[in-house]
Amino acid sequence: AQKITQTQPGMFVQEKEAVTLDCTYDTSDPSYGLFWYKQPSSGEMIFLIYQGSYDQQNATEGRYSLNFQKARKSANLVISASQLGDSAMYFCAMTRRNTGANSKLTFGKGITLSVRP
Amino acid sequence: KAGVTQTPRYLIKTRGQQVTLSCSPISGHRSVSWYQQTPGQGLQFLFEYFSETQRNKGNFPGRFSGRQFSNSRSEMNVSTLELGDSALYLCASSLGTFSYEQYFGPGTRLTVT
Repeated sequence: AQKITQTQPGMFVQEKEAVTLDCTYDTSDPSYGLFWYKQPSSGEMIFLIYQGSYDQQNATEGRYSLNFQKARKSANLVISASQLGDSAMYFCAMTRRNTGANSKLTFGKGITLSVRP
Repeated sequence: KAGVTQTPRYLIKTRGQQVTLSCSPISGHRSVSWYQQTPGQGLQFLFEYFSETQRNKGNFPGRFSGRQFSNSRSEMNVSTLELGDSALYLCASSLGTFSYEQYFGPGTRLTVT
């Protein structure tokens, strides 16, 4: 079974500063994928970034980067230069990677991020 | 390219009734997955459809069912609604083969009274 743990309480960051959101995971699958999603108050889940377990380099997407430490089973999201619009709930998730695509995502409980002006 | 659309966005039903939710995936995507989000249980996987076939199923009672049409649009049905079914129901679409990125719709917020 797969498990995602997000234990940080609500996070606060000053506008334009960087923030790290923690995520640890547990799985017995040798091949897996890790995701981060953003959920604003409107409810829509917005895909931010993806990291495959065999990817050599940490994933980056604009202001988002994923600090992947396989031995520690952690996949922290780093948001650089925070903006007011970054205030939202952030979810870490994972999926198996099979020969086909297995779309079942296992989510963590989420972290609330508030950006202060 | 248009995103994932879900209808209706909001729904109020009474216990015992049934409800059907609809999801239209991104053009070209063949996989549609459904998730239930509640404050207590968080986000839980319901099922996934790929090319009109259920490919994966979560741990939900048989009252929850779904189907997918030839144009990849999917519907989810909940029969004999219970108060605990009140939730945000999200659908996600993906290419479905050798692609792991999933894109979510805005969700349908179901309230059961």
